[in-house]
Amino acid sequence: QLQLQESGPRLVKPSETLSLTCTVFGGSISSTSYYWGWIRQPPGKGLEWLANIYYTGSTYYSPSLKSRVTISVDTSKNQFSLKLNSVTAADTALYYCARHRRVVLPAADDYYYIDVWGKGTTVTVSS
Amino acid sequence: SSELTQDPAVSVALGQTVRITCRGDSLRSHYATWYQQKPGQAPVLVVHGRNTRPSGIPDRFSGSTSGNTASLTITGSQAEDEADYYCNSRDSSGNYLVFGTGTKVTVL
Repeated sequence: QLQLQESGPRLVKPSETLSLTCTVFGGSISSTSYYWGWIRQPPGKGLEWLANIYYTGSTYYSPSLKSRVTISVDTSKNQFSLKLNSVTAADTALYYCARHRRVVLPAADDYYYIDVWGKGTTVTVSS
Repeated sequence: SSELTQDPAVSVALGQTVRITCRGDSLRSHYATWYQQKPGQAPVLVVHGRNTRPSGIPDRFSGSTSGNTASLTITGSQAEDEADYYCNSRDSSGNYLVFGTGTKVTVL
């Protein structure tokens, strides 16, 4: 059964860069039809989708964070990563990595659903 | 701000039916997916596509869409259905994903 595990610093200083890595266990990150992404949840608030990436390197970003976020993939390590620069206290959140399944429909339509989530890692932005 | 809007909270009597709605222009063109999140846990997929439930999700959960509104219906609510529910879909441009604002369901 495929599992995802987030790793990275739990505490980041304001204005610095938050860096997280997600390691894929029990499956290949190079599988077709799957994208790999990040979602976060500030304390007591809702889910926010950040970005996802295909193993070939194709990326999609939330426009609200696009200027600060970079997602990348390392197929040799079966990992993908998130970097968020110029962080503030507002970036304090539980960060989840997740597998997105792309479903292609007739008439060239498609949609995504998230079928596997990591357990999440809490990142606090504070001096 | 989210492009998908949900009612903040709804309540339902045990065994009764509750409908959770998600509104947004993108839903006229794109399917919604629905996730259930219980306190301290990662979200769980409950419905995707036209109305597909993953293995292990009870058939009391069903999804539908009409115009700009997607709905998740729980028919015969159980105590264990008390949770936060989030819809998710593409944005209007289709270039990224967005979550709804979330609905807290209380089972009385």
